[in-house]
Amino acid sequence: DAKTTQPPSMDCAEGRAANLPCNHSTISGNEYVYWYRQIHSQGPQYIIHGLKNNETNEMASLIITEDRKSSTLILPHATLRDTAVYYCILQSGTYKYIFGTGTRLKVLA
Amino acid sequence: DADVTQTPRNRITKTGKRIMLECSQTKGHDRMYWYRQDPGLGLQLIYYSFDVKDINKGEISDGYSVSRQAQAKFSLSLESAIPNQTALYFCATSAGPGREQYFGPGTRLTVT
Repeated sequence: DAKTTQPPSMDCAEGRAANLPCNHSTISGNEYVYWYRQIHSQGPQYIIHGLKNNETNEMASLIITEDRKSSTLILPHATLRDTAVYYCILQSGTYKYIFGTGTRLKVLA
Repeated sequence: DADVTQTPRNRITKTGKRIMLECSQTKGHDRMYWYRQDPGLGLQLIYYSFDVKDINKGEISDGYSVSRQAQAKFSLSLESAIPNQTALYFCATSAGPGREQYFGPGTRLTVT
């Protein structure tokens, strides 16, 4: 299974856009990019996913590069409640998620 | 009411004891999963079930067993708990292949 690489931590000012990068240079053609977040020690929460096109929902936008080797999750107006660990995961339609250690985003007042 | 519930939410037990963690869901999903999370790390898959009669081992199944009593219920047992099984345990469900997973609130287990 292809793996992802994320920076261990990032800070973002409240009200600004948070751009969280993810590298997945060995992604295969049938693998989707999924993003989840985990606030404190709560259960991870689904945010968004995509295959090749950019996606947007009420929580975030997902930008996937044309070669699909990297992606960026964008929280357009970060709030203090967005402080969490964000996981970028690849999934090919089978059961398996491989969770890395994610990016710890801290939104600063 | 929460779609995925876990009981207990916190448990302290002693080495060698058998313990069961329970998961229930009201989402009507066929697929259910058990994960473990150690401090500062991502989640690791213990067992997964695609329906009541289909149960499979994940990455770290040694020392654990599961039971799928019904579509809505999936239990995880530690046959003989040991201290390095101290962790957060999460149950999750999904509607099918390639679909997002919905996680429960977690059970914090401490084995002394």
